[in-house]
Amino acid sequence: DVKVTQSSRYLVKRTGEKVFLECVQDMDHENMFWYRQDPGLGLRLIYFSYDVKMKEKGDIPEGYSVSREKKERFSLILESASTNQTSMYLCASSLPPQRGLTDTQYFGPGTRLTVL
Amino acid sequence: DAKTTQPTSMDCAEGRAANLPCNHSTISGNEYVYWYRQIHSQGPQYIIHGLKNNETNEMASLIITEDRKSSTLILPHATLRDTAVYYCIVRVAKVRNSGNTPLVFGKGTRLSVIA
Repeated sequence: DVKVTQSSRYLVKRTGEKVFLECVQDMDHENMFWYRQDPGLGLRLIYFSYDVKMKEKGDIPEGYSVSREKKERFSLILESASTNQTSMYLCASSLPPQRGLTDTQYFGPGTRLTVL
Repeated sequence: DAKTTQPTSMDCAEGRAANLPCNHSTISGNEYVYWYRQIHSQGPQYIIHGLKNNETNEMASLIITEDRKSSTLILPHATLRDTAVYYCIVRVAKVRNSGNTPLVFGKGTRLSVIA
């Protein structure tokens, strides 16, 4: 079974703190994604990566950065946390699509971040 | 990727089949239909996907109409643990990573399985 793990289920930080959210997958997936989920807004893509050291902005990258130094690990960084970054953060991974197949995404359990 | 329309919520009695509809009238020939679900306070979980033919796995069945403009996810014997938000997503398959875009989740259908 594919396993995607996230470093914390719950996290409380103060405004202005630097926050690291870690995601690790154990299935040698090339693709990894960071989403945030808020009531009434659904899942929104922050950043994604298709290879080591490669990153692309999603729909809402402002206030975030990412790091992909190893294939299995994709980190989301909040340089200076703000209260509007209080949210559920979800990491996902997938294989690259092959001819005739599609890229099913596998999600971690999520990190509920509260910024005070 | 084509847009989808799903009912906001549905109820289903425990042990009965849950039939969740999805309209995707603008679907194009190379777009797949995906279903995911999200149980409260957990990450989304892949259920099933299909292109033209009906599909079945250990979790569910997917029925796609002949014109591909709508589909139905069937949970044959719903249990309380199937209470979740179910997302129908239509997405084109890409051969290579370049230009590929991640999944876009809409609002989904909140399924409540009732004892």
